[in-house]
This record gives sequence, structure tokens and C-alpha cells, in this order.
Amino acid sequence: DSGVTQTPKHLITATGQRVTLRCSPRSGDLSVYWYQQSLDQGLQFLIQYYNGEERAKGNILERFSAQQFPDLHSELNLSSLELGDSALYFCASSVDRDRHQASTDTQYFGPGTRLTVL
Amino acid sequence: AQKVTQAQTEISVVEKEDVTLDCVYETRDTTYYLFWYKQPPSGELVFLIRRNSFDEQNEISGRYSWNFQKSTSSFNFTITASQVVDSAVYFCALSERGFKTIFGAGTRLFVKA
Repeated sequence: DSGVTQTPKHLITATGQRVTLRCSPRSGDLSVYWYQQSLDQGLQFLIQYYNGEERAKGNILERFSAQQFPDLHSELNLSSLELGDSALYFCASSVDRDRHQASTDTQYFGPGTRLTVL
Repeated sequence: AQKVTQAQTEISVVEKEDVTLDCVYETRDTTYYLFWYKQPPSGELVFLIRRNSFDEQNEISGRYSWNFQKSTSSFNFTITASQVVDSAVYFCALSERGFKTIFGAGTRLFVKA
């Protein structure tokens, strides 16, 4: 158990809908990362938050957004869902004590949310 | 630019064989970090090792060992006396200061009894 929790574990929805994925980082970790893992794209970095602020952006679609709350939990919002959005979505957290040394601490991953868009 | 190449898509071995998973990386920075993660069939990503670019000493942890060679930009992972429970997808990753972490495409390891 990495200490990172994600809910829900599975999500089945229809095209055009909107869903919210939730992540609670390990105690003490300031950074939260979101990744998408699909069969044909591998593990793709979406976005990183550090202590409530967006720090880095990857291949995140405009239909997707995220935020990190004062208690450091994070939510990933996916809207206008398409069939191609079906994937495993991972959240990871890391300590990142040095705010200038982004992304070099070990990331610990949650169990993932499997999203199926029908 | 950052890049991680895991050329072996799938490897199949018989239990008790040794197996090496290759990882080759590209980076412009002199300070960087390399990682290996394991993704068993259950789906979670499990952290195995983190290594910084200034520490070229090889590491051994039980049946696992890692060979870091800056001269060839490689960070290979060897499992000695493989077991069925080692069957998983293994990812190599690279992180530079101030940049996102890049994962390789992964190597799927099948260990047959």
C-alpha cells in the first residue's frame, strides 16, 4: 500500500458526460501528479500540483481540468467524455520539499481509477 | 530532450532464469534521476528504485539488481532466479530538475512455471 488513495476504483459512464476523480496524497506529500494510462499511449503525464498551485502541465486536454485543495487532496475533472478517454487514471504524490527541484522526488502511485466510456 | 527507451516490448522466461530489462535514456542535464516501477496484473504501480545521476554504484536488493552506466546512458534491471510473481510490466522513468517525469513504454515480463 503506497498510502495514496484514489476514488472511485471503477467508473462507467456515457459519451458526453462529466466525471470527477479524487486523490488523497500520502501524509506529508506536497505534490500531486495525474497520469493517464491507455493501451496505445502508455503512461502519459497530465498535470502536477504543488501545495495547491499548478506546477507542470503535460498532454492534458482542454476538456480536462484539475485542482489541489488546501488539505492537499486533488480532483481531476473530465468533461465531454469521448470513447477514447477510456483509460486507467493514476494519481501519484511526492514530498518535493524543495519547491525548486520539481519532479525529482520519488512518486508513489495510487491504485488508479479505471474509466470506461460507453 | 528527455527520452526513455525500453526496446524490449515483451520477454518470456522460465522460472529460475535470470532476466535483464534494458533502459536507455536521453537527457541534456547533468543532474537527473532514474526510476524503475513494477505494474503487476492487479494494475497498481509499485516503486522499485530511484537513482541520481551522480551515483553510479550498482545496487542489489534481494533478487533485484540495477546496473547504471552513464557512458552508455543505460539503467538496466536484472532479476535473478525469476519467479512467477515477477510477471508484470516494468517501467523505467527519467526525471530532470524542473521538468516532468518521462516514462518508457514498459517491458512486459512473463515468467512461466
